Amino acid sequence: GAVVSQHPSWVICKSGTSVKIECRSLDFQATTMFWYRQFPKQSLMLMATSNEGSKATYEQGVEKDKFLINHASLTLSTLTVTSAHPEDSSFYICSATGTEYGYTFGSGTRLTVV
Amino acid sequence: GENVEQHPSTLSVQEGDSAVIKCTYSDSASNYFPWYKQELGKRPQLIIDIRSNVGEKKDQRIAVTLNKTAKHFSLHITETQPEDSAVYFCAASTGGGNKLTFGTGTQLKVEL
Repeated sequence: GAVVSQHPSWVICKSGTSVKIECRSLDFQATTMFWYRQFPKQSLMLMATSNEGSKATYEQGVEKDKFLINHASLTLSTLTVTSAHPEDSSFYICSATGTEYGYTFGSGTRLTVV
Repeated sequence: GENVEQHPSTLSVQEGDSAVIKCTYSDSASNYFPWYKQELGKRPQLIIDIRSNVGEKKDQRIAVTLNKTAKHFSLHITETQPEDSAVYFCAASTGGGNKLTFGTGTQLKVEL
């Protein structure tokens, strides 16, 4: 089946620093990548949608200058949380489409900002 | 945009009983309805899905029903087991690789 590798699985950073999260599709070309954020005991909330080679489309209320998304190739998409603050602490997860399997999720990244 | 509501938020059943989780959606253009099981700190795991050209789909102890007219779909788990305990999410999409909108989730607890 389709596999999306997401790294890192967890990260702790200091307030004000930036963190980059990578999602790689290992055995298929991810035409579209979705980035979700999930706070404890809550649902997955879509942050943005990215297509290879074009600018990401952000959901209402998501700061595009804070959450930088790059989908430079059909196998790699990155999310950079800039100037992270404690309220950005969350579980971030990507999901790729481009195969018969529909939506393939990465394993998620637990971000803790201290 | 699409809005997906899910009920109940928590559900406790005795082992062997059935569990039913219900979702409603707002966008009549939605045509793909997956259900996910998520364990703490893990990625959502697809357990079953249904497309709008079908009214019901079953896979062993799990079944999903879809009522397009009423815009609601349900997950049915029979003969529940302790390992079924997890958070379950419904979702909806207009297909074609478009975004998934998730329901609010149901914490299912199967008690011995």
